[in-house]
Amino acid sequence: GAGVSQTPSNKVTEKGKYVELRCDPISGHTALYWYRQSLGQGPEFLIYFQGTGAADDSGLPNDRFFAVRPEGSVSTLKIQRTERGDSAVYLCASSSRDRGNTGELFFGEGSRLTVL
Amino acid sequence: GNSVTQMEGPVTLSEEAFLTINCTYTATGYPSLFWYVQYPGEGLQLLLKATKADDKGSNKGFEATYRKETTSFHLEKGSVQVSDSAVYFCALSRAGAGKSTFGDGTTLTVKP
Repeated sequence: GAGVSQTPSNKVTEKGKYVELRCDPISGHTALYWYRQSLGQGPEFLIYFQGTGAADDSGLPNDRFFAVRPEGSVSTLKIQRTERGDSAVYLCASSSRDRGNTGELFFGEGSRLTVL
Repeated sequence: GNSVTQMEGPVTLSEEAFLTINCTYTATGYPSLFWYVQYPGEGLQLLLKATKADDKGSNKGFEATYRKETTSFHLEKGSVQVSDSAVYFCALSRAGAGKSTFGDGTTLTVKP
């Protein structure tokens, strides 16, 4: 019964570089979410997948951010031309969106991104 | 849009003290309400939830009651322990709407 797994746990990169963050959700969970958490703040919604498709990407801050979930399981968050303001902890969560589900999220431990 | 406002921290209490962390929300429709907890070095995890008005969620001695008339979901515990030291997040989710909305978190430190 593995939980949500995120890699890497820590990523340090230079301004302008490309970064990929990976999330492996709980087996059987159809819904997958990406959030971003800055110091002293709550998780900020980025994107939500239902199966393979992005059901809501309204939280992506700009076109440098992109996420995929090609087989409906593992997801990758991709950040192009990173900026210092992208430094944060990126959280992945999954849930079962069966009928009656009330939206409880199961979180991974996050990927801490530092852009120098 | 939906929003959650939490009592600002940090909160420091002595062991066995009574805890209240206030949470109010703004939402359309009838959201489900949650408290998540983040212990040092760990990921967020669900502490308790309530899905409709007047429901009380409870877990590990913590309680919160869904008050639609005051749009609140305050977290309480009668006697805190050192092991309760963590960051607590209030959140809401509307069924079928996908995303959850979180407050900014309240850091609780319990001293022996």
